[in-house]
Amino acid sequence: DAGITQSPRHKVTETGTPVTLRCHQTENHRYMYWYRQDPGHGLRLIHYSYGVKDTDKGEVSDGYSVSRSKTEDFLLTLESATSSQTSVYFCAISGGPEETQYFGPGTRLLVL
Amino acid sequence: GDSVTQMEGPVTLSEEAFLTINCTYTATGYPSLFWYVQYPGEGLQLLLKATKADDKGSNKGFEATYRKETTSFRLEKGSVQVSDSAVYFCALRDSSNTGKLIFGQGTTLQVKP
Repeated sequence: DAGITQSPRHKVTETGTPVTLRCHQTENHRYMYWYRQDPGHGLRLIHYSYGVKDTDKGEVSDGYSVSRSKTEDFLLTLESATSSQTSVYFCAISGGPEETQYFGPGTRLLVL
Repeated sequence: GDSVTQMEGPVTLSEEAFLTINCTYTATGYPSLFWYVQYPGEGLQLLLKATKADDKGSNKGFEATYRKETTSFRLEKGSVQVSDSAVYFCALRDSSNTGKLIFGQGTTLQVKP
């Protein structure tokens, strides 16, 4: 199994509070991705990174920001959480855009 | 834009039954295609993939053939087990050179003993 961990695994928070989710990898892969999983939508890309300090938006990036200050960590921040951001968040890694993506175990976030 | 459509289910089968999950896609060119599986409470695992037309991916008794004529990537297994109960996602890699995956809605499979 690819070495990917996500923290926290579960979180309950209130509307308007900031939330940061962490993805950590031990594979030294260049590409990292954040997806959200919602019923009826499958997984949708939020943001991705193609190297340290190199990030770009995905299809559902509104309300989210990311940072990658070192290869192994990719942080997803909800600046002011809303109920519509209640979801399961998955991190994925790959060695390059043509290589297989490996997924982390997910973070279940509930915004009340 | 690119999209993937698959039957949502749930699909309920008896053990040893034949499984088919349909997946069709809309995309520019011939994207790489994937099936991922998600067991309860876990992340997604790559089940199989095909990178060009007429390729057949296979793993753990599952097979899927890349059909460019019908833009489809149907998942099949000849004899399912209770342990195959999971959510199955069809996905394509888009052409933007970002590695971005476009997923279908997911199909829930329940296998009863």
